[in-house]
Amino acid sequence: DIVLTQSPDSLAVSLGERATINCKSSQSILYTSNNKNYLAWYQQKPGQPPKLLTYWASTRESGVPDRFSGSGSGTDFTLTISSLQAEDVAVYFCQQYFGTPTFGQGTKVEIK
Amino acid sequence: EVHLVESGGRLVQPGGSLRLSCAASGFTLTTYDMNWVRQAPGRGLEWISYISSGSTTIYYADSVKGRFTISKDNAKNSLFLQMNSLRAEDTAVYYCARDRCSGSSCYYDSWGRGTRVTVSS
Repeated sequence: DIVLTQSPDSLAVSLGERATINCKSSQSILYTSNNKNYLAWYQQKPGQPPKLLTYWASTRESGVPDRFSGSGSGTDFTLTISSLQAEDVAVYFCQQYFGTPTFGQGTKVEIK
Repeated sequence: EVHLVESGGRLVQPGGSLRLSCAASGFTLTTYDMNWVRQAPGRGLEWISYISSGSTTIYYADSVKGRFTISKDNAKNSLFLQMNSLRAEDTAVYYCARDRCSGSSCYYDSWGRGTRVTVSS
């Protein structure tokens, strides 16, 4: 199975500052025939199910604030929160669907 | 509005069986592929099973293959997970999740709130 490794495991960011979460895949998840990266990002708040943020590495889900953006290709991906808000405190997971679906271990985002 | 509600989770002894249900509303299971994903206490997410909209394609994670069976009842618009030979490591919150793609498990645009399964003697 494809292993996704997120970094850091946790980070504390001041309100209004940028938060950056990385996700590294053990193999490329870029499907060359359609030039799509098979990666999604989710946000999970305490006691709630995950919520889809982005898919195909950089396509934002409808209704997700534009301060959330996904980027990267091949094996290295990033979720950026451009200006952290209090409601963004959560655990963030990346997920690949190139092969049998797998998730990263999660990154906890807190307010500094 | 899309709504998924899981039920059936409880405390069960090792080796026991359990059947989870997921009632869907706001869409029909005949038009969407579905998945079960679990989350062990304080742990990450683990995909465990997928069923296509027409029930013609089914996949399982190796960790549950041969023990768990996914199915659905289109008339009831419900998804099921039959869990047999349960182990302590199956303890988790089980989520049903709607698949945005068709034909294989990809990303999940709607999730239920989950049902808790505890396997312990």
